[in-house]
Order: sequence, then structure tokens, then C-alpha cells
Amino acid sequence: EAGVTQFPSHSVIEKGQTVTLRCDPISGHDNLYWYRRVMGKEIKFLLHFVKESKQDESGMPNNRFLAERTGGTYSTLKVQPAELEDSGVYFCASRLQGGSTDTQYFGPGTRLTVL
Amino acid sequence: GDSVTQMEGPVTLSEEAFLTINCTYTATGYPSLFWYVQYPGEGLQLLLKATKADDKGSNKGFEATYRKETTSFHLEKGSVQVSDSAVYFCALGLYYGGATNKLIFGTGTLLAVQP
Repeated sequence: EAGVTQFPSHSVIEKGQTVTLRCDPISGHDNLYWYRRVMGKEIKFLLHFVKESKQDESGMPNNRFLAERTGGTYSTLKVQPAELEDSGVYFCASRLQGGSTDTQYFGPGTRLTVL
Repeated sequence: GDSVTQMEGPVTLSEEAFLTINCTYTATGYPSLFWYVQYPGEGLQLLLKATKADDKGSNKGFEATYRKETTSFHLEKGSVQVSDSAVYFCALGLYYGGATNKLIFGTGTLLAVQP
């Protein structure tokens, strides 16, 4: 079974540009999460999808960030326009719906550098 | 609000030394507790978890016990190896929507084991 995959692994852009990160969850996982780690600090929750619906987007920092999950499969996180403080590692995780499992499986992350 | 505090690193140990990484939490209700590990160049992996008070999670020689009275979930290993060198993250999971969803992480502790 393939794990959570993220693309690209690294992205370097200039301030003001747009970047789109992609996450492919484990097949069959209805729950998809985005997190980010900025400047070596704690990993912070951004939002949670159940299928294509946003269940909790309380961690989204501002309206420059837009997350989508059309069709309830892969998800994209767009940053437009990017600012210097957006640099960090963006992690995606997925979890199987139902049952007693509460384990989130993480992808390798996308390292975003805004110059 | 809900938060996790873990000891700052880096922690440098010699091979076969005893490891303790402290983690305390603040939370309303009864969250699940997790330790995730990030090896160099890789994504986050679940190391162990505990879902209720007095539960002990264990994996790969690592252990942590959910202590409600001290709000702690300290990570221990009796004899570390060079291959244990990684960043360790303590996290609590908030329950909503019928499952543990939003994870709140500590800042991470870098462990370096020297031969």
C-alpha cells in the first residue's frame, strides 16, 4: 500500500508569487489534514478535510491560503501571494474514517522557501 | 488553550545510554497522546501512542506512559542506538467528529546518538 505522497518535495519561489502544493492521501482515507512547521518551531495544524468537505479550517493563517479537495481524493494547498513568513515545511496526513483508529499517516512534506 | 511542551534539544548521548525526553501537556478533556519521529530526510512516522490515562505505548524499545495526574507523556528508551538519531515530536490529539483529529505538537527534540 502506497503511503501519503506530496509534490513537490521542494519549492523555491519569490515573494509575491503563487505556489500550489499537492497531497495524495493513502487510498481509501477519507480524512486529510494539512500541517506546517515554520522556522524549526512546532508543527501547526492548518485544516482537516472529510472527503471533499472542510471539517475544521481553524488553523489557516489568512486568506492567502486556499485548500481544496475536489472529488475527495487528492488535495491542493495554494499560497497566493506568498510572503517570506510562509517559508517552512508543509505536511499532509491522512486517516481512515471509522473504526477505532486515530492514527494519522504523514507524508514526507514539501519544503517551501520564499525569497 | 491546548498545548504541548517538550524539552528543548539537542540531546546528545552515547550509544547504549538511557534516554528520556520530557513532554507535558495542557488540554481540556481526555486527549490521546502520541510520539512521532522524523528521521533525517524522511517524513513523520508514528512511534507510539496512548489513548487513556495509565496506558503505556511502546515500540522499537521506546516507551511512554500517559500520566493524567502529572499531565505528562515522557519518552524513554533503555539503550539508544546511532540509528535512533532523529527529531522526536510529542503531540496530543483533540477529539471531535467522532474521532481524534486535530494534532497539537510540541516543538520537537533533536536526538543525536554518537557511537
